[in-house]
Amino acid sequence: DSGVTQTPKHLITATGQRVTLRCSPRSGDLSVYWYQQSLDQGLQFLIQYYNGEERAKGNILERFSAQQFPDLHSELNLSSLELGDSALYFCASSGGGEAFFGQGTRLTVV
Amino acid sequence: DAKTTQPPSMDCAEGRAANLPCNHSTISGNEYVYWYRQIHSQGPQYIIHGLKNNETNEMASLIITEDRKSSTLILPHATLRDTAVYYCIVRAPMMDSNYQLIWGAGTKLIIKP
Repeated sequence: DSGVTQTPKHLITATGQRVTLRCSPRSGDLSVYWYQQSLDQGLQFLIQYYNGEERAKGNILERFSAQQFPDLHSELNLSSLELGDSALYFCASSGGGEAFFGQGTRLTVV
Repeated sequence: DAKTTQPPSMDCAEGRAANLPCNHSTISGNEYVYWYRQIHSQGPQYIIHGLKNNETNEMASLIITEDRKSSTLILPHATLRDTAVYYCIVRAPMMDSNYQLIWGAGTKLIIKP
């Protein structure tokens, strides 16, 4: 158990819809990272938050947004979903050293 | 953050040592080498990290060359459960430091009975 909790584990939704993925970091970790992993692909960095503020952005689509709340949990919002958004979405947290990953949310857009 | 280069795949016999290489020729003086692995669609798992000295923990050993331009992860007695994709990452361990934006494809290690 990494200590990072992601919900839900699985999500099936239709094209055009909006979903919210949630991540609870390890206790005390200030950095939260979001990654997308499409089938048989590597991890694609989306965005990083550090103590509530956006720290770095990767190739995150404009239809996607995220935030980190005062209690340090984070949400990734995906809107106007397309079939190509089907993927595993991972959240990781770090206190400056190694990153700890959640088990991911598998999103299927139909 | 420096980029890394890894072979796309490797095989290893069960019970033998698996040696996974990584090139990071543009690594900066304050950047550490981290290794993670991902077992079939699970969340990546931290293995080990180091700066310039060799490191060992219960999972693996990390050998970093003197010029720090490459490293080798060693799994001393590979088991079937070590079959996974192994990622080599370099980063500065600052509190707000980002991880490498692109993790790359890593090395797919297959342990054969």
